Formats: sequence, structure tokens, C-alpha cells
Amino acid sequence: DQQVKQNSPSLSVQEGRISILNCDYTNSMFDYFLWYKKYPAEGPTFLISISSIKDKNEDGRFTVFLNKSAKHLSLHIVPSQPGDSAVYFCAASARAGGTSYGKLTFGQGTILTVHP
Amino acid sequence: DADVTQTPRNRITKTGKRIMLECSQTKGHDRMYWYRQDPGLGLRLIYYSFDVKDINKGEISDGYSVSRQAQAKFSLSLESAIPNQTALYFCATSDFGQGRTGELFFGEGSRLTVL
Repeated sequence: DQQVKQNSPSLSVQEGRISILNCDYTNSMFDYFLWYKKYPAEGPTFLISISSIKDKNEDGRFTVFLNKSAKHLSLHIVPSQPGDSAVYFCAASARAGGTSYGKLTFGQGTILTVHP
Repeated sequence: DADVTQTPRNRITKTGKRIMLECSQTKGHDRMYWYRQDPGLGLRLIYYSFDVKDINKGEISDGYSVSRQAQAKFSLSLESAIPNQTALYFCATSDFGQGRTGELFFGEGSRLTVL
């Protein structure tokens, strides 16, 4: 049972354009969501997060949107740069309790390629 | 030096061999995790430990065991390796709890190939 899903295995965009990466979740106990970026031969690194009490969080070129009723979040990168080319994972946790307490559940990842 | 160090970084072994992947951290975090990455499956949790005396199974613990030797050390063992355990393994730490974000800090990964 995949509780966090990224249905697009890959995304290709032109430099300067917007990249939109999507993520869906099924566990209603999830109350904190994170995006990680992973380059080849490196471990994933934290990018941006959002609490379920918010619907938007922005950090420079990166914005995460949360739609709780749809159990959907998205990561927007504007403008996209070639250095953003990486695998992006969304992840969710349940800080309030339940079986997902204290753990991160990850999606399958989306490979983003930004062309110059 | 990396805050989360994994050894070995690459290992090729044969079916049936015992393998240990080691992880050490200098972040001072209580919580440590082992994840496995497979293409198309993302990162899946194998085992996690909230402190030295606490070990918990993740979603794919079969065929694996762990040892938390100290706050800073968490090792993953494959008692009898099989080819479908070929994957990229990540150790991670967290300061989850006490109002913190729960962000995970990952090591650089250990690529294991079982022939």
C-alpha cells in the first residue's frame, strides 16, 4: 500500500520555465510534508516542508502547496535552472501520533531534467 | 567530514554471504534510520531506532537485522544476502520530536550488489 505517490516518474522543462512536481497521499494522519532533492551519488537533501496547518510555504524559487481536502501537494520551482536537475522525493510524517509517528514515508520520486 | 558517514560506499557480494553496512553520525541525534532505494519504488524504511534501547521494524525488515551500538552508530546486517537485496542503502538521522521538524539527514549511501 503506497501511502505517498508520485505518479510522474519524470519531468522535462526548459530553463527559465516553471517546474511543477506533484504528490498524493492517502493517510489522513499525515500532518507534515517535506520535499527532498537527490543528485546522483549523493544522499537526499532536504529542500522545503509544509505543515498541515498551512496551504503554502515559499523559500526563494521553491514553493510547496498543500491541498488537504484532495490529499495533494505540489512543488513549484520558478524559474527552473539546469542545476535543479535531480530526483525529487516527497515525504510525509505524522507528528501527532499513529503508526507513522516519527517516520518519513516517501514517494517513488520524480526525475526532473531542466534543459538549457 | 560528512555528518552522517556510511561504510562501505560500494560492495559486491555473493548470494548467501553475510554483509554489514555501518553508519555513524556526528549530529548528536537520537533517532537513526535505514532506508533502501530501488528504481520506481522510492525510499522504503527498513529499520529505525529512536534511542539506543529502541529498535523498530520498518515496512521491509524481512531479511535484515540492525544493531544500535551507541547513540552515534547504527549498523544494518544482511544475514544471508540474496540478489533482490541489491539496492542503494541510506542511513539517516533525525531530531524529530520536541517541536522540531522531523527532517531527516542522510548519508551518501551504500551501493550493494548481490550476485
